[in-house]
Amino acid sequence: AQSVSQHNHHVILSEAASLELGCNYSYGGTVNLFWYVQYPGQHLQLLLKYFSGDPLVKGIKGFEAEFIKSKFSFNLRKPSVQWSDTAEYFCAVNEGGSYIPTFGRGTSLIVHP
Amino acid sequence: DAGVTQSPTHLIKTRGQHVTLRCSPISGHKSVSWYQQVLGQGPQFIFQYYEKEERGRGNFPDRFSARQFPNYSSELNVNALLLGDSALYLCASSLWQDTGELFFGEGSRLTVL
Repeated sequence: AQSVSQHNHHVILSEAASLELGCNYSYGGTVNLFWYVQYPGQHLQLLLKYFSGDPLVKGIKGFEAEFIKSKFSFNLRKPSVQWSDTAEYFCAVNEGGSYIPTFGRGTSLIVHP
Repeated sequence: DAGVTQSPTHLIKTRGQHVTLRCSPISGHKSVSWYQQVLGQGPQFIFQYYEKEERGRGNFPDRFSARQFPNYSSELNVNALLLGDSALYLCASSLWQDTGELFFGEGSRLTVL
């Protein structure tokens, strides 16, 4: 069975610091990749996605992620975080043909003003 | 536009009881998925329905069942509740079955005593 690993469970940063959250998956075939975000008191929402093409994808609010196939990774980055980025971040992987994303356990990000 | 709506938002049950959770997808979305999210973990897939047919089932016991209605709304039913069923139950809709891009509701928080 496919698995998705998010190695950083809790991250605490100060505003303006750079962010990188790791995501690795186990499936070796074609994948669709997602990052979802859950702000405090809100529902899960899509941050960005990769289906094919340019492995560097840009999402909302200045976030980007890079798909590195050889490393089975899809890390999320932001050059300068804001207090409003405080949230739970989930990586999800949808292996080709399954249509059903598998989620990682999430990373809690706290940004101090 | 209305997003995915779920009801009830919170409920408390006792062991052995039955619960029904309801979900209305975004207008025009034909696929509904159900996820269970336990505190500190990512969403775990329970069911996916597309065009009123079950298209996927996660590793959950037969006490869990679901259905999708002609208007694409959906119900999740859990029988013989156990303490371990306490969780946030998320419904997500998508336009198609096969993109993996999900639009989530705010969830139904179930507490089993």
